[in-house]
Amino acid sequence: QQQVKQSPQSLIVQKGGISIINCAYENTAFDYFPWYQQFPGKGPALLIAIRPDVSEKKEGRFTISFNKSAKQFSLHIMDSQPGDSATYFCAASQPSGNTPLVFGKGTRLSVIA
Amino acid sequence: NAGVTQTPKFQVLKTGQSMTLQCAQDMNHEYMSWYRQDPGMGLRLIHYSVGAGITDQGEVPNGYNVSRSTTEDFPLRLLSAAPSQTSVYFCASSPGDGSYEQYFGPGTRLTVT
Repeated sequence: QQQVKQSPQSLIVQKGGISIINCAYENTAFDYFPWYQQFPGKGPALLIAIRPDVSEKKEGRFTISFNKSAKQFSLHIMDSQPGDSATYFCAASQPSGNTPLVFGKGTRLSVIA
Repeated sequence: NAGVTQTPKFQVLKTGQSMTLQCAQDMNHEYMSWYRQDPGMGLRLIHYSVGAGITDQGEVPNGYNVSRSTTEDFPLRLLSAAPSQTSVYFCASSPGDGSYEQYFGPGTRLTVT
């Protein structure tokens, strides 16, 4: 059973456009929702994260929107740049930093000029 | 700090061979984990450890063993390699309780022929 469903699988966006990646979860015990960014040949790295007590978190051009009632969260990349081309993973975790992260299957983003 | 280091970067095995993937971190993190990444499958948890001497199974543990004798090291052993274990393997660490961010190593690309 896939606990975190991510869509789309791949995304092509024009430079300067908005990239939107969506995730849905089932387990209401999740209380931490990070997004990881992975460039080819590298390990994933934390991009931005949110907890369910807020509906939105913004860091530069990256924004997480969180809808607790719908059990959905999304990543918005404003003014997308070719350097943003990477694979993005959403994830979720239960309380305590010692519980495993559950990852979505990833979205390959290509930003074209 | 070197962060999370993994060796080797690349490995080719024949079916039935055994080997150990090495993972070390110098951040004094309590939590360590192993993931495998396959195309279209995202990151799947193999085993994890919440501290020295404590390990637990993740989503796909079959064919893999782990031990955690020190805080720094978390090796992953393939007992009898199979072509289905061809994958990219990532080790990650986290400070543990109260801190959720996971730091990933650069990965080991394993091919089993």
